[in-house]
Amino acid sequence: GENVEQHPSTLSVQEGDSAVIKCTYSDSASNYFPWYKQELGKRPQLIIDIRSNVGEKKDQRIAVTLNKTAKHFSLHITETQPEDSAVYFCAASWDSSYKLIFGSGTRLLVRP
Amino acid sequence: DAGVTQSPTHLIKTRGQQVTLRCSPKSGHDTVSWYQQALGQGPQFIFQYYEEEERQRGNFPDRFSGHQFPNYSSELNVNALLLGDSAHYLCASSLARWEGPGLETQYFGPGTRLLVL
Repeated sequence: GENVEQHPSTLSVQEGDSAVIKCTYSDSASNYFPWYKQELGKRPQLIIDIRSNVGEKKDQRIAVTLNKTAKHFSLHITETQPEDSAVYFCAASWDSSYKLIFGSGTRLLVRP
Repeated sequence: DAGVTQSPTHLIKTRGQQVTLRCSPKSGHDTVSWYQQALGQGPQFIFQYYEEEERQRGNFPDRFSGHQFPNYSSELNVNALLLGDSAHYLCASSLARWEGPGLETQYFGPGTRLLVL
């Protein structure tokens, strides 16, 4: 069935280092992969997304890569800052479905 | 440009009661999806409304129902509340794409925190 697995569940990095979060999906018909950042008690905020006809997308310090063959996609944050600390969720949708299936989340802590 | 808004922000109910949550989509959007987020978990899809019809439904019982109005705003109704319904209820809006499902970018509102006692 439809499933998105996300790793790691927690990630602690030193300010200025890079952080990488990985997700795998079950259905090869998946075609849209957004990433959301959620601070405590706040709404999930879209930070970047990628569609299946693109292998990589970058927006300043944030990048997402997609490997359709291996059915996984990753979020890369470079030059991390304390304000990057939050829970990050990956998600995927399928070409026959309107819903987003979310991963279980990664709690990122950036140590000053 | 107004973002997605939801009301109320917090709500406390008792078991067996009914609740209605409200959502106004981002300006220019025509589609509203509802998600339930339990503590420490990712959001789970409840259903999506488009053109005032339920277009797709997730694995939630019939106690969960909804409505979309001509101005694209939406309501989520939950009947016969259970303790397990306590969660953060998120509304997301999007603009329907002619290419079909699975490509819409969804923007979330701040949510309603529901506590069932």
